[in-house]
Order: sequence, then structure tokens, then C-alpha cells
Amino acid sequence: SQELEQSPQSLIVQEGKNLTINCTSSKTLYGLYWYKQKYGEGLIFLMMLQKGGEEKSHEKITAKLDEKKQQSSLHITASQPSHAGIYLCGAGNTGTASKLTFGTGTRLQVTL
Amino acid sequence: KAGVTQTPRYLIKTRGQQVTLSCSPISGHRSVSWYQQTPGQGLQFLFEYFSETQRNKGNFPGRFSGRQFSNSRSEMNVSTLELGDSALYLCASSLHLGPYTDTQYFGPGTRLTVL
Repeated sequence: SQELEQSPQSLIVQEGKNLTINCTSSKTLYGLYWYKQKYGEGLIFLMMLQKGGEEKSHEKITAKLDEKKQQSSLHITASQPSHAGIYLCGAGNTGTASKLTFGTGTRLQVTL
Repeated sequence: KAGVTQTPRYLIKTRGQQVTLSCSPISGHRSVSWYQQTPGQGLQFLFEYFSETQRNKGNFPGRFSGRQFSNSRSEMNVSTLELGDSALYLCASSLHLGPYTDTQYFGPGTRLTVL
């Protein structure tokens, strides 16, 4: 079965600093989802990457999919307190139902 | 459009009891998936329903079951509750079957505590 490993597990950054979260898959990535979760709440959809080399941006968050490395990265520019939360990557098997496997999550804290 | 709604938001039960959780997908969405989230195991897939049929099931015991109604609303049931069933149960809905064809949107979750 597919496993997704995220690094780092937790991150504390000062407001205004940039940061990167990585998600590495044990199997070929056909695509990848990024979600954000506030503690104890539901997941908020951030981005979906479908093709190798694809890069998407939304506000100050950029995500990229590297198919060859079986890896995706999420980059936040000029972090803000509103970026704090748990970031989760998720992947599924192409051609099948929406059964997603999720990474262990990266907890981000943004200090003032 | 209203998002995915889950009821109840919080639930406290005792061991041996059973529980039913409800999920209403976004209007027009026909696929509903359920996930269990715990500190130890993270987010794990339970099952998925599409057009009232279970299409996929995760590695959970038979005590966990679900169903989907003709209006796409879904329920999951856990019988003979164990302490380890304490978790956040998340429901997600999407338009079509299959990953990367569209996005799964998650509800706020139901926090189940088993005493």
C-alpha cells in the first residue's frame, strides 16, 4: 500500500519568513492533494496537482509535484499567523475511487 | 453553496454501545467518503459510497458500517464501541468517482469519545 511521509513533522517560524513542507510517496504519484487542518476541525482544500512538474499557487502558497522524485513540496512565502495549522498531503490510486492515503501531517506554528 | 455538514459535532458514548454519525454532502455531490483521524494512526480511509453503493472499504473491522441514501446523504455506524474508537470522524464529498477528477471537500467532523 502507498505511504506518504511528510517532513518536517513540525515547524515554528517567525512571521514573515518563508517555509517549505515536503511530502514523499513510497509509490508512483499520479497526483496529489494538499489540505490544511485547524486542530480538531475539518480539512480545508488547498490545491490539487495532477501532472508531474505541475506547479500551482494560491495567495502566498505554492505547491509543486515532482513525479520522478515521487515528491511534492508546499512553499509558503512571507508566513502569517493565519497560516498556522496542520498541513496534510493526500494521494490516491489513479483509475479507482477516491480512497485517499494521507501523510502524517506537518504542524506549523507562526510566531509574531 | 453550503458545505459538507456532519451531525452531531460531538458525541460521548460508553464501551459496548453503538453510534450513528450523519453526513450531508455538498448539493450535487454523489460520492461520500468517511475517514477516521486519531493521534496515533493519523487520517485513515474507512469507506466510500457512490450512488448508494459502497465502492471501497478500508481496513477496519466489520463493526464499522455505512450506507448512503438516494439523496446522497450518508450515515456510518459503529457497533460495540471500544475505547480505541475515540476519534474525529470526517466525511468528504465530491462530484465524481476517482481521484484527481475533482476535489474532495471535507466536513467539520464528528468528535467521538468512548468512555
